[in-house]
Amino acid sequence: QVQLQQWGAGLLKPSETLSLTCAVDGGSFSGFFWTWIRQSPGKGLEWIAEVSHTGSVSYNPSLRGRVAFSSDTSKNHFSLELTSLTAADTAVYYCRGGWTSQGLDWWGQGTLVTVSS
Amino acid sequence: IVMMQSPVTLSVSPGEGATLSCRASHSVNDNLAWYQQKPGQPPRLVIYGASTRATGIPARFTGSGSGTNFILTISGLQSEDSAVYYCLQYNFLPGTFGGGTKVEIK
Repeated sequence: QVQLQQWGAGLLKPSETLSLTCAVDGGSFSGFFWTWIRQSPGKGLEWIAEVSHTGSVSYNPSLRGRVAFSSDTSKNHFSLELTSLTAADTAVYYCRGGWTSQGLDWWGQGTLVTVSS
Repeated sequence: IVMMQSPVTLSVSPGEGATLSCRASHSVNDNLAWYQQKPGQPPRLVIYGASTRATGIPARFTGSGSGTNFILTISGLQSEDSAVYYCLQYNFLPGTFGGGTKVEIK
């Protein structure tokens, strides 16, 4: 059973950078899709960034320029950085993996990130 | 791609059925998933490929539709089905979720 464990700072100030990491336990990193998704009361569930099974990285255009996705396959980790934070970035951030069209879908526990001065 | 869900809230008695709707602004073929989310938990995959139940999902959950119109039907509602249900299109990047339908058990 694949499990995702995520961590990162939960309280940040405006203009700071969010950094989150997700560890994949119990399965291979390669061959699957790995995604960051956030959920805020105002905007619901929002897809942030994803690396495909071929290694291609895609970003949500609404966040392009502020977001960076990286992965370390040797450690079975993938990470998210989001710069120039504002209060609008306050949300629960989830890492997700699998292959939706194959019914494979694993989620991290979520990290509440609050942006406040 | 904009995903619109209706209704926003559905209140149903135990044992009754519920019909949730999801509409896409453009055709997403059958690349549509339904998720169930309970408070304090991440979403859980219920249906993928518009109509295939995910592992461990009871047969009372049925997905249908293709293109732009999709339906999630829950028959014989049980108390544990109380949750918010979201649709997700994964035909185009970025994936986009609907705003959710909250299913309440009377």
